[in-house]
Amino acid sequence: EVQVVESGGGLVQPGGSLRLSCAASGFSFNSYDMNWVRQAPGKGLEWVSYISSSGGTIYYADSVKGRFTISRDNAKNSLYLQMNSLRAEDTAVYYCASLSFGELYFEYWGQGTLVTVSS
Amino acid sequence: SYELSQPLSVSVALGQTARIPCGGNNIGSKNVHWYQQKPGQAPVLVIYRDSNRPSGIPERFSGSNSGNTATLTISRAQAGDEADYYCQVWDSSTVVFGGGTKLTVL
Repeated sequence: EVQVVESGGGLVQPGGSLRLSCAASGFSFNSYDMNWVRQAPGKGLEWVSYISSSGGTIYYADSVKGRFTISRDNAKNSLYLQMNSLRAEDTAVYYCASLSFGELYFEYWGQGTLVTVSS
Repeated sequence: SYELSQPLSVSVALGQTARIPCGGNNIGSKNVHWYQQKPGQAPVLVIYRDSNRPSGIPERFSGSNSGNTATLTISRAQAGDEADYYCQVWDSSTVVFGGGTKLTVL
């Protein structure tokens, strides 16, 4: 059974930092490109970042470029998102999502972790 | 940057056909994917590459894509189809989502 579980969310002050983790199981994690997608309260989906299966290719949305860093540890079947210089507008549920193998659509999603940026 | 436009809401009578458009410049040249999201849940893929259904998705869900509009069609709409629906494409190494459409089944 495929499982994708995010953790690390919480309340943080503006300007602060937070590190999200995503633990995957039930599929060959090291073969799948991974992403972070977020959803602000009552709003739509917003893509945040992509990392290829090997970690060699990384993309970011303009809204987080220079502040967020995506990484992965294939030996631990884990994906990470280091978030620095957080702003109120970063408040959202953050989803870890895999692309389908060799495809450009999202196949596996976690249930999300809530990040709240507020003083 | 590339943009996708969706109506905020679409209503359909129970048992009738709902059509949810997704507009984008020459979107017909791209592969469009559709997700269903119910309150408090993660999105679920319902259509990939314009018109393909993943296993487990009812045949009532179909998709098309041409010109500047992609369309998700839900036939014989059921109460359980009430949800938010998002279209998605890739453009210049970024993922683009439409703003989402809330489907109400009357």
